[in-house]
Amino acid sequence: DIQMTQSPSSMSASLGDRVTITCRASQDIGNYLSWFQQKPGKSPRRMIYGATNLAAGVPSRFSGSRSGSDYSLTISSLESEDMAIYYCLQSIQYPPTFGSGTKLEIK
Amino acid sequence: EVQLVESGGGLVQPGRSLKLSCVASGFTFNNYWMTWIRQAPGKGLEWVASITNTGGSTYYPDSVKGRFTISRDNAKSTLYLQMNSLRSEDTATYYCTRDGGWFAYWGQGTLVTVSS
Repeated sequence: DIQMTQSPSSMSASLGDRVTITCRASQDIGNYLSWFQQKPGKSPRRMIYGATNLAAGVPSRFSGSRSGSDYSLTISSLESEDMAIYYCLQSIQYPPTFGSGTKLEIK
Repeated sequence: EVQLVESGGGLVQPGRSLKLSCVASGFTFNNYWMTWIRQAPGKGLEWVASITNTGGSTYYPDSVKGRFTISRDNAKSTLYLQMNSLRSEDTATYYCTRDGGWFAYWGQGTLVTVSS
């Protein structure tokens, strides 16, 4: 199975900060990487797919990038509504595997 | 508008069975693979089962293989998960998702609690 190593596990940032979360894949996954946001009591919401594509309705302050086997989710200017847990997911092969999650808190 | 609505969760004793359902609407159901994903309380996301668009093939992790069965009724646009021999570690919210490679759509989830 492909392992997705996500970091950090938690972080605290101030409103307006630039925030970056990273996932590293244990094997080549091409661009088959998605990012999800999950707020308490809610279902995961897809934010980014294909490593860099913004999902419909997602604010433009969110972006995705890739450098080799490292994939990043960046929030350019943190807003209070961005407080959530973020997960990456590889879907190039079965089983689909998730990162362990990053809990993002607002200072 | 794509909608996935799960039902069938509840409290069940260890060793017993439960069947979850997910009714899909807003897209051509028989064009898509479908997947169940679960989340134990306070934990991360775990893939549970997937089924091809025709229902001809199914996939499971070792943790549920032989105990869980995913199926679908394309005429009713409904996905199922039959869960047998339930264990305490199966306690989780179970989400129905539209696969298609990108998991774009998720249901609201249904909570399964396995406890005596």
